[in-house]
Amino acid sequence: SAVISQKPSRDICQRGTSLTIQCQVDSQVTMMFWYRQQPGQSLTLIATANQGSEATYESGFVIDKFPISRPNLTFSTLTVSNMSPEDSSIYLCSVGTGTYGYTFGSGTRLTVV
Amino acid sequence: GESVGLHLPTLSVQEGDNSIINCAYSNSASDYFIWYKQESGKGPQFIIDIRSNMDKRQGQRVTVLLNKTVKHLSLQIAATQPGDSAVYFCAENSEIRGSARQLTFGSGTQLTVLP
Repeated sequence: SAVISQKPSRDICQRGTSLTIQCQVDSQVTMMFWYRQQPGQSLTLIATANQGSEATYESGFVIDKFPISRPNLTFSTLTVSNMSPEDSSIYLCSVGTGTYGYTFGSGTRLTVV
Repeated sequence: GESVGLHLPTLSVQEGDNSIINCAYSNSASDYFIWYKQESGKGPQFIIDIRSNMDKRQGQRVTVLLNKTVKHLSLQIAATQPGDSAVYFCAENSEIRGSARQLTFGSGTQLTVLP
């Protein structure tokens, strides 16, 4: 299965700033996804990163707050913009493997102070 | 929207006993289900999956049962070991927006294995 490298693994950021998270895959994949996992909670899909077109955002998430890039089939970035303490979460990159399978990165633990 | 939920947020078992983690789902159109294990500081790891045309599937020390009548999914871990301590999520994979598919996660169960 695909191997995902996600950077940074953790960061502490000041409110009002932005952080860009990188997701690198060791093989070309069609589907890439970004999830948020708030403290002690489950995973919520933020958006699907589409190669060559705009990301598809889920209800409650907007491009201005979470801009996503997908320049090629092995790389994507998620930016958390104008951060507030409520954005403190783990952000996870995932890729689709085959028709039904998914592999996850180890996540970026973000703390906003 | 549709959601997948778990019955119990925490579960403690003695080492060597069997563990059963339950999950209820609400989207009757879901055709594929996955159990994930998430250890502290890591992303979810695939454990086992099952398609909706099956009611049972076995792996190494793990068994998933699917009851479509009551929309219930369970994960059974045999001879639970300390390394099994983690949060376990069920997820349903359903088709949305044409051919696109999406994973919806349940709320998670924290499994603690006692010595």
